[in-house]
Amino acid sequence: DVKVTQSSRYLVKRTGEKVFLECVQDMDHENMFWYRQDPGLGLRLIYFSYDVKMKEKGDIPEGYSVSREKKERFSLILESASTNQTSMYLCASSLRGVPYGYTFGSGTRLTVV
Amino acid sequence: GIQVEQSPPDLILQEGANSTLRCNFSDSVNNLQWFHQNPWGQLINLFYIPSGTKQNGRLSATTVATERYSLLYISSSQTTDSGVYFCAVERYAGNNRKLIWGLGTSLAVNP
Repeated sequence: DVKVTQSSRYLVKRTGEKVFLECVQDMDHENMFWYRQDPGLGLRLIYFSYDVKMKEKGDIPEGYSVSREKKERFSLILESASTNQTSMYLCASSLRGVPYGYTFGSGTRLTVV
Repeated sequence: GIQVEQSPPDLILQEGANSTLRCNFSDSVNNLQWFHQNPWGQLINLFYIPSGTKQNGRLSATTVATERYSLLYISSSQTTDSGVYFCAVERYAGNNRKLIWGLGTSLAVNP
């Protein structure tokens, strides 16, 4: 069964910590995405990548960075976590040139205290 | 940029009832998809439907691209249909793929 795996389901971190959220897909997809989801705000795109070592800013990149050293892995980094980054984080992947077939991970609920 | 509006924002149904969810978008798009997020947070793609009508079991969707709206029909609703339904659109720009999401319709189906 093809899937997108996010390393943690729940995570609690302290303000100022450096936080890594990992996402791995086994579908050989070129495109990978990081979203955050907040009540009343829907899904907002943080960063995306359409190839290894490529990254593009989404709508809300401030306070985040990403890394894509291998095709299957896309990491989201919170350089210095803040309480306003408490959220649900969703990773997704898709095949280049195919307009459908987005596959999402089950999400990481991050709480910054 | 393109705006996506979904209605209603919340919906409560009795099991067995039918419902229609609407998605309006402000500009022409190449891609429109419907997703369902279950109460545990898992998002699943329901339909890829930039135009026309598709059916999958009790769910069907229709997109009228010229009038910039899409409808998701749920017939004979079941408790497992509960969750949030999202509409997302896309306008292609080279290799960059970026879905623009509506805020969703939160559906609760009561037994």
